[in-house]
Amino acid sequence: AQSVTQLGSHVSVSEGALVLLRCNYSSSVPPYLFWYVQYPNQGLQLLLKYTSAATLVKGINGFEAEFKKSETSFHLTKPSAHMSDAAEYFCAVSDHAGVQGAQKLVFGQGTRLTINP
Amino acid sequence: KAGVTQTPRYLIKTRGQQVTLSCSPISGHRSVSWYQQTPGQGLQFLFEYFSETQRNKGNFPGRFSGRQFSNSRSEMNVSTLELGDSALYLCASSLNLAGGLNEQFFGPGTRLTVL
Repeated sequence: AQSVTQLGSHVSVSEGALVLLRCNYSSSVPPYLFWYVQYPNQGLQLLLKYTSAATLVKGINGFEAEFKKSETSFHLTKPSAHMSDAAEYFCAVSDHAGVQGAQKLVFGQGTRLTINP
Repeated sequence: KAGVTQTPRYLIKTRGQQVTLSCSPISGHRSVSWYQQTPGQGLQFLFEYFSETQRNKGNFPGRFSGRQFSNSRSEMNVSTLELGDSALYLCASSLNLAGGLNEQFFGPGTRLTVL
């Protein structure tokens, strides 16, 4: 079974500083990987996705992530944090259920990002 | 194009009652998945429906059930509610094209509180 581990349940950075959120995955097949963001009292919004087309993936709001197969990692970064980035971030791997088109997401436990002014 | 909608947004029930949550997918999306989010267990997959058939199911007791209608709208039902069922229930829809990635789009969720 596939799994995801997010290192650090809470990350705090200063406004303008580098954001680095860590994600490691376990998968026996080439995975699909995702980063989602969740703002308070809202659902999940897709930030970016890895589908094997390119190892460096750019997403919305200035975020990007690099797929490193040798390290089984898919860390999320943003060069300069903004106050509006404060939210919870989830890394997820797509578990191919073996049925055509049927996929379920396996999520990490989430990382709460706090931005200090 | 309208996003995934879920009703109601908030719900308060007591132990032993049953509850039905509704999800309307993005127009044209045929697959609907349900997830439970709790502080302790995080985000967990409940089940996925496509063409009115459940194709995949997570590790939840039989009290949790769902269905999908011909217009792709989906409902999930929880019977004999327990305090531990208090959670945010998220619905996601996808196009479900054959092969490749089927990106899931999430609704705002239904916050269920069991007293």
